[in-house]
Amino acid sequence: QVQLVQSGAEVKKPGSSVKVSCETSGASFNDYTITWVRQAPGQGLEWLGRVIPLLGITHYALKFRGRVTITADRSTGTASLELTRLNSEDTAFYYCARGSGSWYNPYFDFWGQGTLITVSS
Amino acid sequence: QSVLTQPPSLSAATGQKVTVSCSGSSSNIGSNHVSWYQQLPGVAPKLLIYANEERPSGIPDRFSGSKSGTSATLAITGLQTGDEATYYCEAWDNNLSAVVFGGGTKVAVL
Repeated sequence: QVQLVQSGAEVKKPGSSVKVSCETSGASFNDYTITWVRQAPGQGLEWLGRVIPLLGITHYALKFRGRVTITADRSTGTASLELTRLNSEDTAFYYCARGSGSWYNPYFDFWGQGTLITVSS
Repeated sequence: QSVLTQPPSLSAATGQKVTVSCSGSSSNIGSNHVSWYQQLPGVAPKLLIYANEERPSGIPDRFSGSKSGTSATLAITGLQTGDEATYYCEAWDNNLSAVVFGGGTKVAVL
């Protein structure tokens, strides 16, 4: 059974950084992509980027380039999202999801439970 | 403002049918596959439909998807109280080189 288990909620100060982890199990880490999506309170879904663990290739949404880093550790089957220069608008649930399909036709068939990141002074 | 446009809310009675629309453009829905997700309150989204009309294992056939041109539709028949959720469409956008989502449609079962 495929599972994605994320790290716990965090409260961060404006201007600081946060790193969220996503441990996968139940399927080969190398056969899929890992995508990160966030959801501000009461708002919709927003894509941040993705990583191909087998190749170490990443691709980020333009809005977040320069502030986001997604990594994948093949030895542990764990992906991570790091977001820097946090501000109050970054307060959201952050989800990792397994990407299936193709590069230009991805879909997300398994999701982590979500990690609440609160940015507050 | 979301790249894909969905109605904010819809409602229908138990047992009835509801259709959720998702409107895009030639750079997203017009050239790529559409997926649909269901998000119950307080939990992560769940994949309902991929590749426009395919259902993952375990998704009942009450849920169906279709696509025509630059629009896609999710249909839910035999509506149940457990279907009360927010539904999101998703596609790749060639111009933005990014995954884009609709703003979500909250479905209420009367």
